[in-house]
Amino acid sequence: DAKTTQPPSMDCAEGRAANLPCNHSTISGNEYVYWYRQIHSQGPQYIIHGLKNNETNEMASLIITEDRKSSTLILPHATLRDTAVYYCIVRSEIQGAQKLVFGQGTRLTINP
Amino acid sequence: EPEVTQTPSHQVTQMGQEVILRCVPISNHLYFYWYRQILGQKVEFLVSFYNNEISEKSEIFDDQFSVERPDGSNFTLKIRSTKLEDSAMYFCASTRDRPNTEAFFGQGTRLTVV
Repeated sequence: DAKTTQPPSMDCAEGRAANLPCNHSTISGNEYVYWYRQIHSQGPQYIIHGLKNNETNEMASLIITEDRKSSTLILPHATLRDTAVYYCIVRSEIQGAQKLVFGQGTRLTINP
Repeated sequence: EPEVTQTPSHQVTQMGQEVILRCVPISNHLYFYWYRQILGQKVEFLVSFYNNEISEKSEIFDDQFSVERPDGSNFTLKIRSTKLEDSAMYFCASTRDRPNTEAFFGQGTRLTVV
């Protein structure tokens, strides 16, 4: 699996958009970009994933650069409950049972 | 919304004892996983399980560990002789039967070995 690089921590004001960057310069053509988050010590929670097109769901938007070497997770209107560690993971989909390789992630703190 | 459930939420055991951590994956999922997270560290992959056999395991998953799907709903992780360093949060996860899908995680079992 390709490695990812994320800032260790970020702050964002409540109600503002939180933009979390991720570098994955060694990503290969069949690898997807996944984002998960972990609130306190709970189980990781899936947020969104994409291959090369931008994606949006009810939780977030994912912007992937054209060369696919980096991406940004956007939480459009951050709330205090979005305080968590956010993980950017690249994952091959050649086989079905692909493990997730977690890095240190970005600790996002939403401030009132 | 369907969810992965894990029991117990917290288990305290003496060093050298056997423990079994239990998980009920989402009913129509076919791939099952165990991960662990030592306090303050990264989430680490332990093992994946498909079609009643291990499909991949990490170097952490040594002979002290085993997994089983004893019936159509439960997925268990057994640690035969616990060590102090096995103290961690253990997360079970499951995914559907095709690639490019998200993994659903349980809320974890906190294992404390004393």
